Amino acid sequence: KAGVTQTPRYLIKTRGQQVTLSCSPISGHRSVSWYQQTPGQGLQFLFEYFSETQRNKGNFPGRFSGRQFSNSRSEMNVSTLELGDSALYLCASSLEGGYTEAFFGQGTRLTVV
Amino acid sequence: AQSVTQPDIHITVSEGASLELRCNYSYGATPYLFWYVQSPGQGLQLLLKYFSGDTLVQGIKGFEAEFKRSQSSFNLRKPSVHWSDAAEYFCAVGPPGGSYIPTFGRGTSLIVHP
Repeated sequence: KAGVTQTPRYLIKTRGQQVTLSCSPISGHRSVSWYQQTPGQGLQFLFEYFSETQRNKGNFPGRFSGRQFSNSRSEMNVSTLELGDSALYLCASSLEGGYTEAFFGQGTRLTVV
Repeated sequence: AQSVTQPDIHITVSEGASLELRCNYSYGATPYLFWYVQSPGQGLQLLLKYFSGDTLVQGIKGFEAEFKRSQSSFNLRKPSVHWSDAAEYFCAVGPPGGSYIPTFGRGTSLIVHP
C-alpha cells in the first residue's frame, strides 16, 4: 500500500510569507503528527492530529498551526516566515496515534530566504 | 523538563564490527524510550521501543537496546554492522502513559567502513 506522501518535497519562500505543507497518511490511519528537523535544534515535535482534532502540541509559537481533514489528510501552516523556519518538515501517520507505530514521509524541505 | 543526550555526534565502525550507540535521558519518572533510524533523504523509521517490562528490547534489523534505570540510559546495540546500517540514529523519550509529546536527541551519525 502507498506510504505517507508529503507535498511539495521542496519549497522556497521569502521572509514574512506564509506556507502550507500537505501530508497524506497511509490509508486507514487516523493520526498524523508533524516534526521539524533543523541542524541547530535537531528534531522537534510540532503537533499531533487524530480524527480532525489536535491532540498534542509541542513547544512552538502560534505561527505554526495545522489541521486535519475528514479523510485524515493534514496540512501544516507557518505564517510570517522567519529565516529560522528553514527546515525539513516531516509528517508521520499511524492507526491510533500516540505511541503506536508511526510511518514517516520523506519530508518537505522548506528554505526561507 | 525532559531531555535526551546522545553524546556521540559521529561514530565510525568497520563492516562486521559490533556497534553501541549511547543515549542518556533526564526525566522525573521512567519515560517511554525509542530508537529511530533515518537514512539519507528519508523519514524516520522506528527501530525499537521500551514501555515497561524486560529491560532488553529487541528491534528490527538486528538491533537491540538495553534500558538501565540506574544509569538513565537506553543504549542501542548491534553485534555485526552492515554497510546498509550507515544512517542517522535518534533516541527519543516521551511521558509514560500520557500525552504523545516526544523529545528527541540530536542524533548520532553512523559511518560504516568496508
